[in-house]
Amino acid sequence: GQQVMQIPQYQHVQEGEDFTTYCNSSTTLSNIQWYKQRPGGHPVFLIQLVKSGEVKKQKRLTFQFGEAKKNSSLHITATQTTDVGTYFCAGERGSTLGRLYFGRGTQLTVWP
Amino acid sequence: DTGVSQDPRHKITKRGQNVTFRCDPISEHNRLYWYRQTLGQGPEFLTYFQNEAQLEKSRLLSDRFSAERPKGSFSTLEIQRTEQGDSAMYLCASSRLDRGDYEQYFGPGTRLTVT
Repeated sequence: GQQVMQIPQYQHVQEGEDFTTYCNSSTTLSNIQWYKQRPGGHPVFLIQLVKSGEVKKQKRLTFQFGEAKKNSSLHITATQTTDVGTYFCAGERGSTLGRLYFGRGTQLTVWP
Repeated sequence: DTGVSQDPRHKITKRGQNVTFRCDPISEHNRLYWYRQTLGQGPEFLTYFQNEAQLEKSRLLSDRFSAERPKGSFSTLEIQRTEQGDSAMYLCASSRLDRGDYEQYFGPGTRLTVT
C-alpha cells in the first residue's frame, strides 16, 4: 500500500503563479528526497532533507521537512514553463535504509 | 555519457514468455536499485543491491521476479511467465552511499508491454 501520501495529484497554474505540493508519511522518516520527472523522462534528484524542521532553498524552490519528520513540502515561487513535470517526494525509514518510498507525485502544468 | 544505462529501452512480449532486462550503473556506485513505475504512479521499489549482495526485496515481488548483480557491477532483472499486469516501466537507479551521497541516479528505463 501507499506508504507516503502526496497531494495534490494535479496542479494547473498560470506562469508566474506559485505552486506547492505536500507529502505526508504515517511513520517517521530518516530523510526525505525530492525528485522531478519531466514528461517522457526519468526521475531526477532535486534535494535531500535530513534534519527535523529543515528548510532548504534552490533558487525559486523551497523545501521543508516537518518537525516530526513525517511531512514535507515543496514550494515553487513564480512558476515558469520549464517547471512543468511531475514532482515526487520519496522517504526513507530508519528500519529499511536504502529503500525509498515514493509518493504518487504531483503533476504540474504551467500555462504560458 | 557515464550515466545509468538500461537495455533494452522497449520490450514487447507475449503473456507467458520470460524477459530479462539489463542495467549498467554509474561505475563507482556501490548501490543499485530496481523500481517499477506505472502511469500516474510513483516508482515502486522492487529490490536493491549493495555491491553484489541483494539486501532487500519487496514483498510485492512475486517469485516470478529475480534480480542478480553477480560481480557488483551490472545487474539483470528477469521476469518469468510474464502477465499483462507486469506491463510497466522498469527503472534502475544507482548511488554511492559510502560518500554519504544518498542521491539516486535513474536510468532511462525499460518499457515492458505484455500482450
